[in-house]
Amino acid sequence: EVQLVESGGGLVKPGGSLRLSCAASGFAFSGYSMNWVRQAPGKGLEWVSSINSRSTYIHYADSVRGRFTISRDNAQNSLYLQIYSLRVDDTAVYYCARRSGGGFSDYWGQGTLVTVSS
Amino acid sequence: EIVLTQSPGTLSLSPGERVTLSCRASQTINNNFLSWYQQKPGQAPRLLIYDASNRATGIPDRFSAGGSGTGFALTISRLEPEDFAVYYCQQYGNSPYNFGQGTKLEIK
Repeated sequence: EVQLVESGGGLVKPGGSLRLSCAASGFAFSGYSMNWVRQAPGKGLEWVSSINSRSTYIHYADSVRGRFTISRDNAQNSLYLQIYSLRVDDTAVYYCARRSGGGFSDYWGQGTLVTVSS
Repeated sequence: EIVLTQSPGTLSLSPGERVTLSCRASQTINNNFLSWYQQKPGQAPRLLIYDASNRATGIPDRFSAGGSGTGFALTISRLEPEDFAVYYCQQYGNSPYNFGQGTKLEIK
């Protein structure tokens, strides 16, 4: 069974940093690209970042480029999102998702909540 | 950057009705790389449709979808109570892989 479990969320002050993790199991993690998607409270889905299986192709949304860094450790079956210079509008549930085929997200974690507040 | 516009924003319908949701793109989506997701309150999104018209594993056949280029649609042939949720389209043909703003299906 494919499982994605996010962790690392919490309450952070503006300007702070956080590292989100996503533990993958039930599939050959090293063979798949991965996504981070976020959802602010009461709002829609926002694609944040993608990374391919070998970390050679990485993409970011304009809203996070320069402040967020996506990475992965295939030996540990883990995906990461390092977030710097947090802003109030980064408050959201952050989901990791597996990319399949041309890039659709076929499996999603349950998300981890990041709250940015003073 | 491709912008996806979903319409309508909210639909009030009754179980048993047929519904079609629209997703229009500001530019042609490469390879018709468009997906549809369903999200219920407090849950992660669930993949319904990929590559514009292919049902994901386990998705009932009352869900169908089609379109190409810049115009796409998701149809639910006969609404079940569990179908009342928010539906999002997403393009993955070109980065940034934007989502539409969502269509909420609510019970009338």
